[in-house]
Amino acid sequence: EPEVTQTPSHQVTQMGQEVILRCVPISNHLYFYWYRQILGQKVEFLVSFYNNEISEKSEIFDDQFSVERPDGSNFTLKIRSTKLEDSAMYFCASSPRPPQYFGPGTRLLVL
Amino acid sequence: KQEVTQIPAALSVPEGENLVLNCSFTDSAIYNLQWFRQDPGKGLTSLLLIQSSQREQTSGRLNASLDKSSGRSTLYIAASQPGDSATYLCAANTGNQFYFGTGTSLTVIP
Repeated sequence: EPEVTQTPSHQVTQMGQEVILRCVPISNHLYFYWYRQILGQKVEFLVSFYNNEISEKSEIFDDQFSVERPDGSNFTLKIRSTKLEDSAMYFCASSPRPPQYFGPGTRLLVL
Repeated sequence: KQEVTQIPAALSVPEGENLVLNCSFTDSAIYNLQWFRQDPGKGLTSLLLIQSSQREQTSGRLNASLDKSSGRSTLYIAASQPGDSATYLCAANTGNQFYFGTGTSLTVIP
């Protein structure tokens, strides 16, 4: 069964560095999402993406975040200048329509 | 803004017991509600999806119900097993995003 994949599974970075989290959605899906989960807290919506545009974003998704579909198969989340509070599990999801299929997540640790 | 609450936050039961996990949401204008399982340090595994027009969905030992008007959903687990130990999350879909609850951490004791 097709599934959403994410790389890397874990990433450690220094504060202020840029990170790119990668996702490969299921191939015929049109809607893409990023969520994050800070340890011990709720899963929170960051952004949704459709037709090469952001369709909705939360207040968390500020100017340090960006999303891109660089090559028609990958979907990336870039954090330009990481802060300590960006340490979290980041989940990618995709869907042709609901339900959304979630990836296994990338655990980001900012030191 | 949609708020999703799950009760209880933690639950410990002996193996074989039937149990109910509760989820409530403040805005009844949802498209669907989804239940997920999350193992420690792992991703989200979809268990059941209930469309707004449906009252319940079943998969094996799992049964999820939805009462939109009262803003509630329940996940019923029959004959619990130690392998069911995990955190269970409900999420309400308002159209373009899911709003998640904080989860119920379930421990099934052999």
